[in-house]
Amino acid sequence: QVQLVQSGPEVKKPGASVKVSCKASGYTFINYAINWVRQAPGQGLEWMGWSSGFNGDTNYAQKFQGRVTMTTDASTNTVYMALRDLRSDDTAVYYCARGELDDYYYSGMDVWGQGTTVTVSS
Amino acid sequence: EIVLAQSPATLSLSPGERATLSCRASQSVGSYLAWYQQKPGQAPRLLIYEASSRATGIPARFSGSGSGTDFTLTISSLEPEDFALYYCLQRSNWPPEYTFGQGTKLEIK
Repeated sequence: QVQLVQSGPEVKKPGASVKVSCKASGYTFINYAINWVRQAPGQGLEWMGWSSGFNGDTNYAQKFQGRVTMTTDASTNTVYMALRDLRSDDTAVYYCARGELDDYYYSGMDVWGQGTTVTVSS
Repeated sequence: EIVLAQSPATLSLSPGERATLSCRASQSVGSYLAWYQQKPGQAPRLLIYEASSRATGIPARFSGSGSGTDFTLTISSLEPEDFALYYCLQRSNWPPEYTFGQGTKLEIK
């Protein structure tokens, strides 16, 4: 079945970096993109960025530019999201979600990973 | 950046009643709007995409409408499992940029 499986929980100190993985299976990886969305405790959903499964192109939300990097390993159908210079307000559940590869249609983010909890605390 | 405003923030209804949730965009998004349901401890679940298309496996009691700046999610007759948080999501530009609404909590009255 189509699924996205994310790496396990992380605990980091302020100023550190974290790298979360998202492994796709059950579909043709290069035909879709992967988005990263986070949710702080008790808060809403926040889009972080988009990564093409076809060629690894990325587009980041302005808020995270300079601090986030999304990379793709096509050999393993895995996308990574690295966030550096962590602060306490980066404490959140981080989700990957499958999305569109092209701009001529809108299918929504239709498949989601299970979420990865990142806790930033001294 | 396009801002999505959802209303109401909280909606209190009883099972069997009709729910109407609103999402308003600060500028036109065409039909590039989706709706999600989220329950505690779970990932969001896609309900509606392209403003009015039901996602795979979504019951017919869920429907979406609207275009441009004003969108509505309607649940025709609430089931107990429908009480949850609901978010709208728009896509603009290419490469894409997305924004979520702040959410509507649908609670049992």
